[in-house]
Amino acid sequence: GESVGLHLPTLSVQEGDNSIINCAYSNSASDYFIWYKQESGKGPQFIIDIRSNMDKRQGQRVTVLLNKTVKHLSLQIAATQPGDSAVYFCAEKNGYNKLIFGAGTRLAVHP
Amino acid sequence: DTGVSQDPRHKITKRGQNVTFRCDPISEHNRLYWYRQTLGQGPEFLTYFQNEAQLEKSRLLSDRFSAERPKGSFSTLEIQRTEQGDSAMYLCASSVTPTGGGSGANVLTFGAGSRLTVL
Repeated sequence: GESVGLHLPTLSVQEGDNSIINCAYSNSASDYFIWYKQESGKGPQFIIDIRSNMDKRQGQRVTVLLNKTVKHLSLQIAATQPGDSAVYFCAEKNGYNKLIFGAGTRLAVHP
Repeated sequence: DTGVSQDPRHKITKRGQNVTFRCDPISEHNRLYWYRQTLGQGPEFLTYFQNEAQLEKSRLLSDRFSAERPKGSFSTLEIQRTEQGDSAMYLCASSVTPTGGGSGANVLTFGAGSRLTVL
């Protein structure tokens, strides 16, 4: 399944499928981007980050893609598991010392 | 070190009362951030400290809000004369200052948050 931007608040996928969560950022001067996962009742948990001089970075089962031309960021989760169910936030930094968060996408993984 | 600790986890108060939240960051982290999160929204930046110096405050931080980090370790966030609109999750995060002159931010490590309900 694929989510187009953060205007679609919920992404539902079957266990074992790949998930793609998209994020459109606003500031072309942003030089650093990060994805967080937040489970109910918990604080955001770091997943993966990427600097603006890169267009792809891979972690364990996750990949972040950055397209600066269209100011678009995506998080790909391979072989989605029930434990991946959470709200996912992208955030950007534009030279100041704080992260600006998007509104989030809820990922629901069904058996 | 078990990460970023926040206390209390939940606070219910009546409108007009004052509340204070405490954050204990990861011990070697010199930067400390406060964010506010309302239901269904992403965290919104409130303020941050480098050591004991408060370097930036959001316009969201009205004069009823005050944050301190007196010894560069733990921090407190006080809300005076609470209003129902203050009901939210207050998140604390910490990080280290980027080294090597790099422009990338360090990862913020968040606590579990302090949930405030103003009746």
